[in-house]
Amino acid sequence: SQKIEQNSEALNIQEGKTATLTCNYTNYSPAYLQWYRQDPGRGPVFLLLIRENEKEKRKERLKVTFDTTLKQSLFHITASQPADSATYLCALDKEDSNYQLIWGAGTKLIIKP
Amino acid sequence: DVKVTQSSRYLVKRTGEKVFLECVQDMDHENMFWYRQDPGLGLRLIYFSYDVKMKEKGDIPEGYSVSREKKERFSLILESASTNQTSMYLCATATGFKNIQYFGAGTRLSVL
Repeated sequence: SQKIEQNSEALNIQEGKTATLTCNYTNYSPAYLQWYRQDPGRGPVFLLLIRENEKEKRKERLKVTFDTTLKQSLFHITASQPADSATYLCALDKEDSNYQLIWGAGTKLIIKP
Repeated sequence: DVKVTQSSRYLVKRTGEKVFLECVQDMDHENMFWYRQDPGLGLRLIYFSYDVKMKEKGDIPEGYSVSREKKERFSLILESASTNQTSMYLCATATGFKNIQYFGAGTRLSVL
């Protein structure tokens, strides 16, 4: 069955540095992959979507890469700020479904001033 | 902006009670979803609906039911609440091929 893995340990980054989060998946070749941000006690908020035929996508300080050979997506935040501290979730489209997503458990990012 | 409103932020219920969680969206999205989120497990889909009166089971439907009588409203029902249903419940909506999901703020349910 499809599986997504994100690093369960919190990632501590110094303010101003680039934070890189990893999302690995197995047993499937998704058509697209999404990244969301979730703040404590709130619902996830969509950030970026990348399709299987796209290597890279950018939005302001955010960059997502998608390596279908490695079955991995990397999520980068450049010039990180304490306000970027949150949990980041990746999700991919579920095989044989037009509606469902498969979600990673998320990685908590902490940006230290 | 899409607005997804969940009726309660926090709920405390007793074992055996019938619990209703309501979700309302204002963007005419066809698809609506109910998830629960537990530490370390990620989002798990309980039920979803792709049209009025249509529903499909997700990965963990046991102990839950849903109702979608109007396009904008999707209700999650716990027929007889149990302590293992203590969790964060999230409603989401989506439209179109990209399936980007828009979430409500969540309801933290405690069953005592």
